[in-house]
Amino acid sequence: DTGVSQDPRHKITKRGQNVTFRCDPISEHNRLYWYRQTLGQGPEFLTYFQNEAQLEKSRLLSDRFSAERPKGSFSTLEIQRTEQGDSAMYLCASSSKGQAEQYFGPGTRLTVT
Amino acid sequence: QKEVEQNSGPLSVPEGAIASLNCTYSDRGSQSFFWYRQYSGKSPELIMFIYSNGDKEDGRFTAQLNKASQYVSLLIRDSQPSDSATYLCAASLLAGGTSYGKLTFGQGTILTVHP
Repeated sequence: DTGVSQDPRHKITKRGQNVTFRCDPISEHNRLYWYRQTLGQGPEFLTYFQNEAQLEKSRLLSDRFSAERPKGSFSTLEIQRTEQGDSAMYLCASSSKGQAEQYFGPGTRLTVT
Repeated sequence: QKEVEQNSGPLSVPEGAIASLNCTYSDRGSQSFFWYRQYSGKSPELIMFIYSNGDKEDGRFTAQLNKASQYVSLLIRDSQPSDSATYLCAASLLAGGTSYGKLTFGQGTILTVHP
């Protein structure tokens, strides 16, 4: 059984560019979560999906951020018009139905120059 | 007040000692509690979870939960230098019946185990 995978692992982009990250959850996990983590802080919730439905979005998530999970399997997180403040580790996690435990992928480290 | 609070440390213990990590939470609706270990530059790794009041043991790790005091702790016995990492406490609400949602994390406690 493979774990959660994320791609790319690192991304350097210039301010104003759009970026897209991909997450593949553990197979059979129906819930998928996105978090963001900056240095010295715990992960901060962004949004989550149950199957293909997006059930919750953080109030902190600006309209430059959008996430999809079109077939209930992998998910993408897009950031439009990136800003330096978007520099962070973007973490994806998944969990199975009826369970609270979430398992994280390796993360995508975004640097906006 | 932060929803989940931890002492950021650093906490330094000698090899072989017991490391005690603490966490408090503000939302009484929180149902499930988790401890993640995070090495520098890596993603969080789930090491313990607890749902009921009392203690839960797994190898060298013991998680303790006191819902009346809104307090969670993690004890690491026989600490090893490889336990040196940031330990994140997280809480989850039971939303809409039986489904669980997001995790709310504390800022993490840095643990250093010195030989």
